[in-house]
Amino acid sequence: KAGVTQTPRYLIKTRGQQVTLSCSPISGHRSVSWYQQTPGQGLQFLFEYFSETQRNKGNFPGRFSGRQFSNSRSEMNVSTLELGDSALYLCASSLYTDSNSYEQYFGPGTRLTVT
Amino acid sequence: AQRVTQPEKLLSVFKGAPVELKCNYSYSGSPELFWYVQYSRQRLQLLLRHISRESIKGFTADLNKGETSFHLKKPFAQEEDSAMYYCALSGNSGAGSYQLTFGKGTKLSVIP
Repeated sequence: KAGVTQTPRYLIKTRGQQVTLSCSPISGHRSVSWYQQTPGQGLQFLFEYFSETQRNKGNFPGRFSGRQFSNSRSEMNVSTLELGDSALYLCASSLYTDSNSYEQYFGPGTRLTVT
Repeated sequence: AQRVTQPEKLLSVFKGAPVELKCNYSYSGSPELFWYVQYSRQRLQLLLRHISRESIKGFTADLNKGETSFHLKKPFAQEEDSAMYYCALSGNSGAGSYQLTFGKGTKLSVIP
């Protein structure tokens, strides 16, 4: 089956602008989560969506938001970009098949550079 | 607050030697713990969860609640095990919301 895809793969934006990143999960996966990866802070959890509802949220300011569509595709938006938002943004789709079975797959990431 | 500590940034072992990647956590409830791996130029991938108690690619990890640890072990290292390994904890961050917290990662280098 097709893997998790993220678009665009690379993006350059200017401070103050906003950006929207997209993630298409594996078919049948209803949960999508987003992560920020930077050399300084490492991997940080942004939020998770399940069936179009935000289920879990990390410690990021309100400038970071997301949504999920009925086909499970998800978008992440960052408004009023700051230099510190430069990072690799990863999304992952996941599925619990029963209490002990869980599969999660990551996308290749979107590299965002803020200048 | 929940915290995950991986004390070693870099771990080098010889091929065939045992491997132990350390992970300690701080969390007041019952955590769900994970190990992730990222091979060079590949996507991040889930290696294993403590709940499933499985062995993946020869790796195992046991949750020790007394020592608040979840170390990743493999009896005989292979060159293809060279990668970045991240330990992560899923815990309740309040109001029913769960948050996944990652350690800073340990880079494993297996020397031929």
